[in-house]
Amino acid sequence: KAGVTQTPRYLIKTRGQQVTLSCSPISGHRSVSWYQQTPGQGLQFLFEYFSETQRNKGNFPGRFSGRQFSNSRSEMNVSTLELGDSALYLCASSLVLSTDTQYFGPGTRLTVL
Amino acid sequence: AQKVTQAQTEISVVEKEDVTLDCVYETRDTTYYLFWYKQPPSGELVFLIRRNSFDEQNEISGRYSWNFQKSTSSFNFTITASQVVDSAVYFCALSESNNAGNMLTFGGGTRLMVKP
Repeated sequence: KAGVTQTPRYLIKTRGQQVTLSCSPISGHRSVSWYQQTPGQGLQFLFEYFSETQRNKGNFPGRFSGRQFSNSRSEMNVSTLELGDSALYLCASSLVLSTDTQYFGPGTRLTVL
Repeated sequence: AQKVTQAQTEISVVEKEDVTLDCVYETRDTTYYLFWYKQPPSGELVFLIRRNSFDEQNEISGRYSWNFQKSTSSFNFTITASQVVDSAVYFCALSESNNAGNMLTFGGGTRLMVKP
C-alpha cells in the first residue's frame, strides 16, 4: 500500500506571497492532519480534517487554512507569508478515530525569503 | 492540557551500546494513547509503537523495547545493541481520547547519534 505523499517536497517563496501544499493520504484513510516543524517550536499541530470537515485546530493564525476533498486528499494554504513560516510541513493520515495511529508523509520544506 | 517532555535533547553512544530514551507525559484524561516516532535525516516521521493507557505491559520488538509506567507517567524507549542506522531524532507523542479530532502532542525530541 502506498504511503502518504506530499507535494511539492521543497518550496521557496518570498514574504507576502501565498503557498498551497498538497497531501494524499494512505488509501482508505479518511483523516488528514497537518503539523509544522521548526527548530525553535518543534512539532506543532495545525489542523485536522475528516470527511471534508475541520475536526480540530491548533493555535495558529488565520493565515493558515486547509481543506479536504471528497477523495480525502487535503491541501493547506498559507497566505501573506512571513519569515517565521519557514518550516517543514508534515501531513499525516489515519483511519477514522481520533486516536488512530497517524502515518506521516515525507514533508514539504518551505523556505520564506 | 497535555504535555510531553523529553529531557534528553541529544545522546551519543558507540555502536553496540544499549541506550534508553526518556519520555514523561502529563494528561488529565484517563484514556489516552502514547506513541514513539523516528525521524531520520530525510525528515519523514516513522511510526514505531502505539500504546493505550490501559495496557501497561512492556513490549519488545527486535532490538527495541518500551517500558510504560503510569505511576510515574513515563513511556521510555530502549534500543539494545545500537547500530549506526539507529541514528535519528526520536519523538514521543500523546493523544487524548477526549480530543474533538485527531491531534498529537509531541515532546521536543531526542537526537540519537550512534558512532561506529
